[in-house]
Amino acid sequence: TAGITQAPTSQILAAGRSMTLRCTQDMRHNAMYWYRQDLGLGLRLIHYSNTAGTTGKGEVPDGYSVSRANTDDFPLTLASAVPSQTSVYFCASSVGTSGNHEQFFGPGTRLTVL
Amino acid sequence: GQNIDQPTEMTATEGAIVQINCTYQTSGFNGLFWYQQHAGEAPTFLSYNVLDGLEEKGRFSSFLSRSKGYSYLLLKELQMKDSASYLCAVNNDYKLSFGAGTTVTVRA
Repeated sequence: TAGITQAPTSQILAAGRSMTLRCTQDMRHNAMYWYRQDLGLGLRLIHYSNTAGTTGKGEVPDGYSVSRANTDDFPLTLASAVPSQTSVYFCASSVGTSGNHEQFFGPGTRLTVL
Repeated sequence: GQNIDQPTEMTATEGAIVQINCTYQTSGFNGLFWYQQHAGEAPTFLSYNVLDGLEEKGRFSSFLSRSKGYSYLLLKELQMKDSASYLCAVNNDYKLSFGAGTTVTVRA
């Protein structure tokens, strides 16, 4: 079982370009999350989804969009990248939506916007 | 806003005990997680406290006091592989708010 996978592993992107970070889980978890992790700031929630077809905004949603067409996939799109979006992005999933369940994290995508 | 504080760094000797404190002030509280994150890797789950008291799991224990807005993670019999960042996270309104993490360095 792969668990939760992310692609690409790393990417260098020119400012103003768009990019989609991919996230797939094979655990049939209901809830999925996108975080960014920056030095000294910890993990911050960007967007989340409690079930296929629904999404919600987290702490830092501006400049990002998500979709949840099915249970397994939860892509994160940067429409027009800016240097402040340079970060490590983690996708996560959990079986429940109450926040009481362990979250499983993907290996992360390291994004550099120049 | 949410305020979750942990020390930035701690150093300890192999075989020793280290206690990582976490204090929080959040708009809601449904429980507190501890995650471990090795450098360059994803966070992995260590513990989850909902009620006050101590929960022990092998060499790791986690304590919660809801009235004080305080938790700690206790690492006993430290091993070199315990060198990592330890993240405190509050379940607030069914979403997690993370502290910045505490980097623990274990020295021989």
